[in-house]
Order: sequence, then C-alpha cells, then structure tokens
Amino acid sequence: EIVMTQSPATLSVSPGERATLSCRASQSVTGNLAWYQQKPGQAPRLLIYAASTRATGIPARFSGSGSGTEFTLTISSLQSEDFAVYFCLQYNNWPPWTFGQGTKVEIK
Amino acid sequence: EVQLLESGGGLVQPGGSLRLSCAASGFSFSSHAMAWVRQAPGKGLEWVSTISGGGGSTYDTDSVKGRFTISRDNSKNTLYLQMNNLRAEDTAVYYCAKLRTTVITNPFDYWGQGTLVTVSS
Repeated sequence: EIVMTQSPATLSVSPGERATLSCRASQSVTGNLAWYQQKPGQAPRLLIYAASTRATGIPARFSGSGSGTEFTLTISSLQSEDFAVYFCLQYNNWPPWTFGQGTKVEIK
Repeated sequence: EVQLLESGGGLVQPGGSLRLSCAASGFSFSSHAMAWVRQAPGKGLEWVSTISGGGGSTYDTDSVKGRFTISRDNSKNTLYLQMNNLRAEDTAVYYCAKLRTTVITNPFDYWGQGTLVTVSS
C-alpha cells in the first residue's frame, strides 16, 4: 500500500499571501495524484488531477506540480473562501486508493 | 449536472447491518466506476470500495472485506453499499463518489453530500 504524507499539518497564512502544501508518496505514483479541498460540513471538491491539471471551474490561483513521489499544491493569493482542509490522493497503484492525512489552511 | 444523493445512514448497534444507496444523475452511470469513501468524525478520508461500470469487478479496503459489499443497478442509476457486522470503528460519513472518466485509474471527481453511519449501543 502506498502511504501519502502531507505537510505541514496546519498552515497559517494571511489573506493575499501564497500557500504551499506538500504531499509525499512512499513510492512513485507517476503523475496520478489529485488534490481536494474540503470545508466543514461539505463533501470534498476536486481541485487538481494528473498532478497539475485544474478541474472544471477551479480558479487559476490553484496550481499543482510534481511527479513520482513529491507533489505540491500552491494557492497563489489566498482568498477568504480558500481557508479549508486540503487532501491529496494517489490513484496510480490501486487498490487501495490512498489519501494523505490533510493540511488545514487557517487564517493567520 | 452531475448529482449524487446518498441515503440509508443512521444509528445501528454493533453487529448490525445497514444498506446505503446513492442515486446518480447527470452522466452516463453505467460507463463510470463508482466508489464509497468514508470520513470518521474529525478525521481524514478513507477509501472503502470501488465497483467497475458494469459491476463485474469490485475492490474493497482490507478492514471491510467479508463485511461490506458494493453493488450497482445500472437500470436504476443507483449504487449500493451493504454493510454487515458493523463495528464502532465504521462510524463515519459515507460518501458516494464518481470516478473522473471511464477508466478506473482516475480520481473521484464528483461526490455526494454524504450520509452518517453511527455504530453504537
């Protein structure tokens, strides 16, 4: 089973600043990595798939990069609606599909 | 517009059973693999089960093998999760999710609103 490790657990950022979130895989997942945003009481929303492709309707301030075992989600200028928990998901070696434990982006 | 609507959650005693349903619309249901993903209170996301578009292939996480069964009725555009011998650690919000394309090597792109399953005496 591939283990996904996200860092940091919590990221404190001021509105308008850049946020950089990391996700590491215990073995290569090539480019089969997705990022999700989840707000309290809501279902996760797909932001990025194939490591760097934005899903439909996702603003350009969200970008993904990486391949193999190291991946990054960058939010270029945080808006108030971006404060949430972010999860990564590997879908290269399944089953199981495995998620990271999440990074909470909070207001500084 | 893709819509996924779960139902069937509730309070059940340890050892009991529940069947979750997920009514799908807005896409070609039989062409897409579907999945159940759960989230324990205050915890992260955990994949539970996936079923292929035709229903002929299923995959389960180890902790539910032999207890949970994923199935689908393509004539009704509905996904199911039969959960037997429930344990306290199965307590979670259960989400129905669609895989992004017709190929199983894909992330989940649309999710339902979730249904809460509580296992407690």
